[in-house]
Amino acid sequence: GAVVSQHPSWVICKSGTSVKIECRSLDFQATTMFWYRQFPKQSLMLMATSNEGSKATYEQGVEKDKFLINHASLTLSTLTVTSAHPEDSSFYICSARQGMGQPQHFGDGTRLSIL
Amino acid sequence: AQSVTQPDIHITVSEGASLELRCNYSYGATPYLFWYVQSPGQGLQLLLKYFSGDTLVQGIKGFEAEFKRSQSSFNLRKPSVHWSDAAEYFCAVGAYFGNEKLTFGTGTRLTIIP
Repeated sequence: GAVVSQHPSWVICKSGTSVKIECRSLDFQATTMFWYRQFPKQSLMLMATSNEGSKATYEQGVEKDKFLINHASLTLSTLTVTSAHPEDSSFYICSARQGMGQPQHFGDGTRLSIL
Repeated sequence: AQSVTQPDIHITVSEGASLELRCNYSYGATPYLFWYVQSPGQGLQLLLKYFSGDTLVQGIKGFEAEFKRSQSSFNLRKPSVHWSDAAEYFCAVGAYFGNEKLTFGTGTRLTIIP
């Protein structure tokens, strides 16, 4: 149980394009989803927290106009990297939590490479 | 502010030997503690969690962790490691109630030698 699916697992695109990453909770309803960014050999950096049906809460220093988060249903959240540039290349990981007192369950991550 | 310290960046252990990964936390209330494991290029898998009850927590893959409030520690242990245990291990602290974010440690990379 508690499976989180993230898609795509790897994407390469040209600078200036927008990329959408999906995060789905497959066997539970996620009241809260989280988006992280991880640099090589480093820990996870929380980018934003999203609750179903409301606006995401972004961490300090994260550009909300660049990293658009939508949590339209209890099983799906999307992260769109708009006008991506090489410095946006990274490993992006989502997690989902069923509710209070429940742990976060993580997707397998998306490796984004911007050329 | 809450924080997690994993003092060991990299640990090398022989296959079959015992393992202990250290984690110290700083948290203003009762902590909700986690250990996650990450294989290269993958997401994180939950090994175990602790909020209350027995301070020795059993997890998956033969791992256990002990919560010691007096030492603000939540060390992860395994009596006999397998080559498949080689990975990055993250300790994290958060809140049981509310929507507070998790704070992760910097991780400990575990290498297993034959």
